[in-house]
Amino acid sequence: KAGVTQTPRYLIKTRGQQVTLSCSPISGHRSVSWYQQTPGQGLQFLFEYFSETQRNKGNFPGRFSGRQFSNSRSEMNVSTLELGDSALYLCASSLGGGLNTGELFFGEGSRLTVL
Amino acid sequence: GESVGLHLPTLSVQEGDNSIINCAYSNSASDYFIWYKQESGKGPQFIIDIRSNMDKRQGQRVTVLLNKTVKHLSLQIAATQPGDSAVYFCAENSNTGNQFYFGTGTSLTVIP
Repeated sequence: KAGVTQTPRYLIKTRGQQVTLSCSPISGHRSVSWYQQTPGQGLQFLFEYFSETQRNKGNFPGRFSGRQFSNSRSEMNVSTLELGDSALYLCASSLGGGLNTGELFFGEGSRLTVL
Repeated sequence: GESVGLHLPTLSVQEGDNSIINCAYSNSASDYFIWYKQESGKGPQFIIDIRSNMDKRQGQRVTVLLNKTVKHLSLQIAATQPGDSAVYFCAENSNTGNQFYFGTGTSLTVIP
């Protein structure tokens, strides 16, 4: 079956702009998590959505937001972009449920460059 | 100001040798652990997982060892191959959601 699909794969923005990234999880997966990966900070958890509700949130400013649709597809938005937001944004899906139900399946990521 | 990046531990092994990659985790309440492999330009790929009620789990050419007393996790790769060259991350989870904390990663290079 198809894996996690993220779009766009690459994008370039300027400071002050906003960006929306999209993630389609594996069919049947109800949990979608977002991570930011940078050389300076490694992989850091942004937030997780399950059944259209934000279930967990990492330690990022309010400029970072997300949502999940009824078909489990998710989007994340970053407003008022800063140079430090340049990173690889990874989406991961899993079956979800009440307990940590297993592995995260990652997409290839969206590489954002802020100029 | 100067940007300080993570200093990735590196490990170089000869093809055919065994590799051991170590990880110290931080939360004693963590009860689920995963090892991921990330190749250049790709997302992390699941290798093997282990729950806290176990201290060892084996997969195909890989073994994960968990020592809860010292909060240490290791990944052993048998007969390392050039295709194993990548960055390896351990990840820990302690809540009912899917919020994982990732280690800084170890860069493995296999010398043919």
